[in-house]
Formats: sequence, structure tokens, C-alpha cells
Amino acid sequence: KNEVEQSPQNLTAQEGEFITINCSYSVGISALHWLQQHPGGGIVSLFMLSSGKKKHGRLIATINIQEKHSSLHITASHPRDSAVYICAVGSTSYGKLTFGQGTILTVHP
Amino acid sequence: DAGVTQSPTHLIKTRGQQVTLRCSPKSGHDTVSWYQQALGQGPQFIFQYYEEEERQRGNFPDRFSGHQFPNYSSELNVNALLLGDSALYLCASSSFRGATKSNQPQHFGDGTRLSIL
Repeated sequence: KNEVEQSPQNLTAQEGEFITINCSYSVGISALHWLQQHPGGGIVSLFMLSSGKKKHGRLIATINIQEKHSSLHITASHPRDSAVYICAVGSTSYGKLTFGQGTILTVHP
Repeated sequence: DAGVTQSPTHLIKTRGQQVTLRCSPKSGHDTVSWYQQALGQGPQFIFQYYEEEERQRGNFPDRFSGHQFPNYSSELNVNALLLGDSALYLCASSSFRGATKSNQPQHFGDGTRLSIL
């Protein structure tokens, strides 16, 4: 079993829909990261959180430390949101990241 | 303010050859981590460098080695290339000094895509 599990692996939505991507982890962490990767390969950090909830524009990330679970929500989705969304957990020292497999999101106009 | 830069962007090698990939961290960052991302998979941690020393290492063979220079830039070397080494190699930088050991935001480069023929 992977230390970081994401669901779903693939997600297709229509423009304007509310989207949720889930992440569960089985190890002790210092922080959880949500990352976005476009087809070119570059990774952009969206959120780093260790408790509660963070919001940036149409993106919201939540984490429940007791349940070892995090969610990434996208409100009013748009075709430009199409990308791979990756959950990664930071180890308790030095910031080594362990990644989930990613969720491929496609938003149709 | 330049972010993390990696070179080259693409590279084609044959089995048995050796390759060197380069990474310049974001200005102000002193820690560099390297990751391997196979097609359709999440990145896997290779190793991390801080103060010119390897501080942590993932489950990769000794064919994978690295170096960090006094200016914090880093190189990833892979010897005796195998077909399975074909992947996107990502570099991420962060700041250890001035921050707690944990909870370090990491900034990623665009990666080097390595193809082995």
C-alpha cells in the first residue's frame, strides 16, 4: 500500500462544476502539499498546510490530521484548471516529500 | 527573481552511458532535492543536498549520485544508464536556514526529460 493515496485517478468535469480531489496518507507528516503539474512537466505549489483550511482564489484545501486525510476543492471549474493535481506529504524532518500518483483533471467547456 | 532552473530540458542517451543534470535553486534557497518521475507516476525522492552534503536519500541505487556546490547549485549524475531510467527528473529547492526543519515550502523547476534508447 502506498504511503500517499489519491482519488480519483482521473476526473472529468464540465466548466463551472465543483471539484473535489481526495488524499489519504499513512505516515507521520510535518505538512501536506497540493501541487499542480501541467503537461510540460513543471510543478507549481498550490498549498502547504499542516492544519485546518486554506483558500486561494477558487481553490480550497483542507486537512484533517486525526483522520490523515486532505481534500482539494476547485469551485467554478474552468478549462484552464485542466492539469494533474498531486498530493505530497513532508516528512517530519528536512522536508523530503512523498508523492501520491496524481489526479488527472480535465475540464470541458 | 529567478526561480529554480534546470538544464538541459531534454536529453537522449543510450544504455550504459552516463549523464549529468544540473539545477540552480531559487535565490535565497540553500537546500536542493532531486526527484524522478516516471510516466504516469508521482515523483519519487532520490536525495537531498544541504551544505554540500547528501542529507537524505531515497531508495535509489548507487548509480545515482549528486553534488552540491558552494553557490547551492546541484548536479545529479547517473551512471550505467538503463532503459528504466527514462523519466522526468525534477529539482526542488527550499530554505533550511531561517526556517524550522519541517514545513519548508519547496519550489520546483520544470524538469529535465531524460530518454534512454
